[in-house]
Formats: sequence, C-alpha cells, structure tokens
Amino acid sequence: DAGVIQSPRHEVTEMGQEVTLRCKPISGHNSLFWYRQTMMRGLELLIYFNNNVPIDDSGMPEDRFSAKMPNASFSTLKIQPSEPRDSAVYFCASSLRDRGAFFGQGTRLTVV
Amino acid sequence: LAKTTQPISMDSYEGQEVNITCSHNNIATNDYITWYQQFPSQGPRFIIQGYKTKVTNEVASLFIPADRKSSTLSLPRVSLSDTAVYYCLVESNFGNEKLTFGTGTRLTIIP
Repeated sequence: DAGVIQSPRHEVTEMGQEVTLRCKPISGHNSLFWYRQTMMRGLELLIYFNNNVPIDDSGMPEDRFSAKMPNASFSTLKIQPSEPRDSAVYFCASSLRDRGAFFGQGTRLTVV
Repeated sequence: LAKTTQPISMDSYEGQEVNITCSHNNIATNDYITWYQQFPSQGPRFIIQGYKTKVTNEVASLFIPADRKSSTLSLPRVSLSDTAVYYCLVESNFGNEKLTFGTGTRLTIIP
C-alpha cells in the first residue's frame, strides 16, 4: 500500500477563496482523522470519521470548515472562505482499530 | 481518554541510550500505549505500541510497569537522525475514538 495520500502538497490561495484538501486513506482502515499543525497550537485534531461517519467534529474551528467522507477511500476538508489565520500544515491520518494511526505527508496551506 | 504527561524537551549526545518517560495515571484496562515520532515537515510516524511489560522492535523498546501508570520509550545508541518530537498517546483497543496529541517531547541529539 502507498500509505495515506494527501493532495495537494502545497497550496497558496488568497483570502476569501475556497480551499479543498484531499485525502486517500490506507485501504482497509476504518478510521480517518484530520489534523492541523502550527507552531503556536501544535497538532490539533479537527474531526475524525469511523466507517465513513463523522464521530467528533468538536475540533473544527468554525463553520467555515467542513469535512466529508463519501466513501471508504476518500475524504475532503474544505475551508470557505479562507483566512490568513488558517495557514498551517493539514494532516490526514487513518487507522484500523487499535493498531496506531498512519499519517500522510500533509498539505502546507498558505492564505495571503 | 487518559491524559498523558511527558517532558517538553530533552538533549542527548550521539551514541547514548535515551529514555523518555510518559505518565498516564488514568489509563483504563482496555487502553494501549502508543508512541509516535515526528520529524520537521513530516507527519507523525507510529513507532511502537504496548500493553504491558516490554515490547521491542527495530526502532525502540517500550517498558511498561505492572501498574501501567507510566511508560518509558527507550532509543538505543541515538544518532543525529533521531532528533525529532516524540508523542505518547493512550489508545483504546475498541478503536472508534479521537486521537489527541499533546505537546510531545522535543529530543535534540548533540554531536
């Protein structure tokens, strides 16, 4: 398996624009997590899914953020409209029960 | 979910054995202890997981005492490439739960 695949690797966008981040989890994994990492706030859990169902989205900062998992092999995190304070590295991770989480390479988002 | 406490930072010289201890006083019967390693500009990487006593793999060893209220990650003969942030997490074997990372331990290896 190629591991967790995220796209794009880098995204630069202007304030107010819509941003969509994509994630393909490891085949067979039943949990998917979206994280955001900044120097100031560390690694924050935004939302996680189990069997494609959102279980806890309490970490989603505002209504501007939304996430979907239409099937077991794909998830998106959308920010609309984007703001400069959304600039961060966004990670997607997947896991199977208690066997540890595996992370993608991340998407570095810069909102100018 | 059990809260974990670990040192914010540690320094060590190359070739030394490094031990990072994590406290998890409220660990539940069904919880496992998992350690992750994160290099700059990369996502965290799973390195080792254990339930009790000792677990060893090609990267590290994990020591867990009988009361399971703490655990120690041991890195043998560290090199400069072991400089990273190390996170200790407690995970339920039921799965289906949020994985929350703390601040981790920033390990710096000195030549």
